[in-house]
Amino acid sequence: QKEVEQNSGPLSVPEGAIASLNCTYSDRGSQSFFWYRQYSGKSPELIMFIYSNGDKEDGRFTAQLNKASQYVSLLIRDSQPSDSATYLCAVVRTGRRALTFGSGTRLQVQP
Amino acid sequence: DTAVSQTPKYLVTQMGNDKSIKCEQNLGHDTMYWYKQDSKKFLKIMFSYNNKELIINETVPNRFSPKSPDKAHLNLHINSLELGDSAVYFCASSQDPTGTQYFGPGTRLTVL
Repeated sequence: QKEVEQNSGPLSVPEGAIASLNCTYSDRGSQSFFWYRQYSGKSPELIMFIYSNGDKEDGRFTAQLNKASQYVSLLIRDSQPSDSATYLCAVVRTGRRALTFGSGTRLQVQP
Repeated sequence: DTAVSQTPKYLVTQMGNDKSIKCEQNLGHDTMYWYKQDSKKFLKIMFSYNNKELIINETVPNRFSPKSPDKAHLNLHINSLELGDSAVYFCASSQDPTGTQYFGPGTRLTVL
């Protein structure tokens, strides 16, 4: 089982819809969870982080964490074509002083 | 001002050569990293330094050697380059080893 698992996609949604991106992790003791966005040919940039169970909202983005089920998700409301990118989930695993990244989900927002 | 910068942005070289990539951050962070992103876009950590101390050294060929002259700089030297070393190399920094990481623009290395 991969340490951080994401569906590679592409996930295709129409403009204005809600995009739902999911990530599961294997280490039950993982503490911190991050979502990064990476446009083609660019570097990853942080969208948001979440530490506690539940939802965290920031503008059109909502991160959801469920530690019991070991998944974290990212919802993008009112998706725009400019949201088309690869979304990377990253986790701080127990005793590890670094982030472990998933392989990313490619999102395509159709105009 | 660029927060995390890398030079060069592109590097094209022949197999067997030795090359270096430089990274600098002006965020005042204590921790810096090198990542390799291959053609399948998987981002894999190579090294991490915290306060100039090496804290993560993944299973990387010893042809790769990081050097941190101070907290703001982390360089990567690669000896005897191989075709499989072709990738994008990202530098990143964070306030502490488990915090939010900020990435540099990347260096695209092509080995011919």
